[in-house]
Amino acid sequence: EAGVAQSPRYKIIEKRQSVAFWCNPISGHATLYWYQQILGQGPKLLIQFQNNGVVDDSQLPKDRFSAERLKGVDSTLKIQPAKLEDSAVYLCASSPTSVQPYEQYFGPGTRLTVT
Amino acid sequence: GENVEQHPSTLSVQEGDSAVIKCTYSDSASNYFPWYKQELGKRPQLIIDIRSNVGEKKDQRIAVTLNKTAKHFSLHITETQPEDSAVYFCAATLNTDKLIFGTGTRLQVFP
Repeated sequence: EAGVAQSPRYKIIEKRQSVAFWCNPISGHATLYWYQQILGQGPKLLIQFQNNGVVDDSQLPKDRFSAERLKGVDSTLKIQPAKLEDSAVYLCASSPTSVQPYEQYFGPGTRLTVT
Repeated sequence: GENVEQHPSTLSVQEGDSAVIKCTYSDSASNYFPWYKQELGKRPQLIIDIRSNVGEKKDQRIAVTLNKTAKHFSLHITETQPEDSAVYFCAATLNTDKLIFGTGTRLQVFP
């Protein structure tokens, strides 16, 4: 089966600019996650969707970050305006369900550099 | 808040030796404990996982043990090979399905 797709793979922007990332989960996976992975650290959950509804966004800096999953499939994560500390790899993951703990399949990530 | 501690942060072993990575978690309700391997510039990939109703699980050269009383779990890699070199992350569930990741262990296997 096809894996989780993400684009772009790399992005360099200046601080205060805006950026958007796209994720296409594995077909049929109801749950979608966005993680932020700062260099040398483990992934940190930003937001979790179940179909097109938000399950958990407690760690999302809502003053600058937003995410949507309008039709319960693809998702976009936006940062506006970006700060230097937003430099990280943004990983998208999906799993069949969130009813029970299931393996999360990760995408290749988008490496964001904010200068 | 809830967290997962992982040790050591770096681990160097000779090819053929064993490697052990340990994690502790704080949420006593955690019931799922996956381990991910991440090679440089690549996505995290699940290598093994264990659920709270099991104390040990093995898959070829990889095994995971879980001690729910002490709230810690460990990854054991036997007969290490150079291709085992990567960063390994443990994780534990919070509120059933939210994963909290450890800080990672960089494993280097020298030929």
